Parts: sequence; structure tokens; C-alpha cells
Amino acid sequence: DARVTQTPRHKVTEMGQEVTMRCQPILGHNTVFWYRQTMMQGLELLAYFRNRAPLDDSGMPKDRFSAEMPDATLATLKIQPSEPRDSAVYFCASGSSAPGETQYFGPGTRLLVL
Amino acid sequence: AQSVTQPDIHITVSEGASLELRCNYSYGATPYLFWYVQSPGQGLQLLLKYFSGDTLVQGIKGFEAEFKRSQSSFNLRKPSVHWSDAAEYFCAVGIMNSGGYQKVTFGTGTKLQVIP
Repeated sequence: DARVTQTPRHKVTEMGQEVTMRCQPILGHNTVFWYRQTMMQGLELLAYFRNRAPLDDSGMPKDRFSAEMPDATLATLKIQPSEPRDSAVYFCASGSSAPGETQYFGPGTRLLVL
Repeated sequence: AQSVTQPDIHITVSEGASLELRCNYSYGATPYLFWYVQSPGQGLQLLLKYFSGDTLVQGIKGFEAEFKRSQSSFNLRKPSVHWSDAAEYFCAVGIMNSGGYQKVTFGTGTKLQVIP
């Protein structure tokens, strides 16, 4: 049963610290998405990768957020320095890049910045 | 740009009753349309999707949705709700943009509560 995995599942940190979230997409999927979910803003797309290249990161605050895919099995989202307003659930999803593709979501990383 | 509206933030139904969750979209052409479900503490899971053909789409867990072009709607239905259906439901639209990839916009979600 292929699944998207995310680590850590929960993270509590202090303001100013670096946070790194990791995602392993489903094997064979060539698109990866990073979303942020909050009560106020709902589900926001932060970044989109295809074949490890970033296609759209317009939703990501560039000054403190960065997203990379070092290889096809690992995507990372970093926040440096973190701020309390970054507290949210961060989801990774993967897909096949076909029109009408289904996105397969991971369980999320729940981040709390104190 | 496309947009999605889910007018009901919260809906409560009795177990065994029928359910309809509303979704309206705004886009010049017919987009790809999706319904996802999110159980507490979990990621989103696809229930069903539409991009062509029969306007009545069957999904998992007994759900179906009907695409109505004239109303720009894609409402989700289930004839008899089970307590395990309590979750948050997201409608989404996807379009192929000029960059050659699908951009998906999610609605704000409808939280479903099921009472005995």
C-alpha cells in the first residue's frame, strides 16, 4: 500500500529556530506539492515540484522558507528563522503530473512555534 | 483565475439521513473537479473526480457527485450517512495552466458532524 510519508509528525520549537520537514513521495510519482493548512487561511499551496524542479513556489514566503528535492525520494521544506505565525499543519502530496491527476497526501507535520 | 466556493462551513446530519454538500466554482471552461475528505489528524484523501464524460461520478465510500455545467456546481451526495463519515470535505478545481501543469485550488471545506 503505497503512501506518502512525512517526518516529523509533530514539532514544537522556539521562535528563531530552524525547522526542517521531510517528505517521501510515492515511488514513481514525479510531482510533489507542499501545502500549509491553518484555521484562518485553509489549505494554501506553498510549492510545486515536477521531476525535482520547482515549477511554482509563488505561495511560499521567500525570505524564510525554502523547498528542495535533493533526490526523487526526498522533498524538504525548511523554515529559517521560524516565527509563531508559521504554526500550522504542513502537508506534502505527490502525483503523476497527468491532467486531472489525483494528489496523494501525507499525514502532515503539525508545527508549533512558541 | 479559478475559484471554489463551499458555502456551508459546518453541516450536521443524523446517521442514516441523506447528505448533500455544495460546491460552486468559477472558471471560464470546465475544469477538473475533485472532492477530498480529511479525517481528524489525517491528510486529504480523494473521494472522486470528474474531468469528462458522464456528469454523475461515483466515488469511494458510497459517495457520488454530479457536475452541472449550467450551475457551475459539483455537489457531493450520499444517500445514507454513517457515523464514520464525520470529517471535513474539500471541493477542488484543477486547470492546466500555461506552464503545462495542473494548478489545483481547494475550497475552504465543510465540516460534517453526524449525530445518532
